[in-house]
Amino acid sequence: KNEVEQSPQNLTAQEGEFITINCSYSVGISALHWLQQHPGGGIVSLFMLSSGKKKHGRLIATINIQEKHSSLHITASHPRDSAVYICAVWETSGSRLTFGEGTQLTVNP
Amino acid sequence: NAGVMQNPRHLVRRRGQEARLRCSPMKGHSHVYWYRQLPEEGLKFMVYLQKENIIDESGMPKERFSAEFPKEGPSILRIQQVVRGDSAAYFCASSRTGNSPLHFGNGTRLTVT
Repeated sequence: KNEVEQSPQNLTAQEGEFITINCSYSVGISALHWLQQHPGGGIVSLFMLSSGKKKHGRLIATINIQEKHSSLHITASHPRDSAVYICAVWETSGSRLTFGEGTQLTVNP
Repeated sequence: NAGVMQNPRHLVRRRGQEARLRCSPMKGHSHVYWYRQLPEEGLKFMVYLQKENIIDESGMPKERFSAEFPKEGPSILRIQQVVRGDSAAYFCASSRTGNSPLHFGNGTRLTVT
């Protein structure tokens, strides 16, 4: 079992839909990242959070430390949101990021 | 303020050759991380460096792989005697401190023929 599990693996939505991607982890963490990887491969860090909720534009990230769970929400989705979204955790035990397998999001016009 | 710069973007090597991948962190960042993404797989941690020090290399294969982050110049990930299984995208990220937001480079795509 992976230390970081994401769901769903693949998600197809229509433009305008509200999207949720989930991340569960089994290790102690100091922080959690949500990353976006576009075709062509560049990676952008969307959020780094250790508690509560953060919002940036149409993106919202939440984390529940007790339940070891985080969600990434996209409101009013757009085709340009199509990408792979990756959850990654900083483990408290060390200095490494452990990554989920990613969620491939496709938003159709 | 330039972001994390990786070069080359694409690198083709024949089996047995050496591959050198370079990463210049963002200005003011002294923490560098290397990650590998094999085809159709997720990202995996390789090594964490600070200037002149390897902090954590627990993700590096024991043989043929080495990394450095000298006092001056970029961080270098070196793969000796490359094999086909080394074909992957190699990403570098940097941060100001050990637990601050990461900034990623665009990656180097290594193809071993």
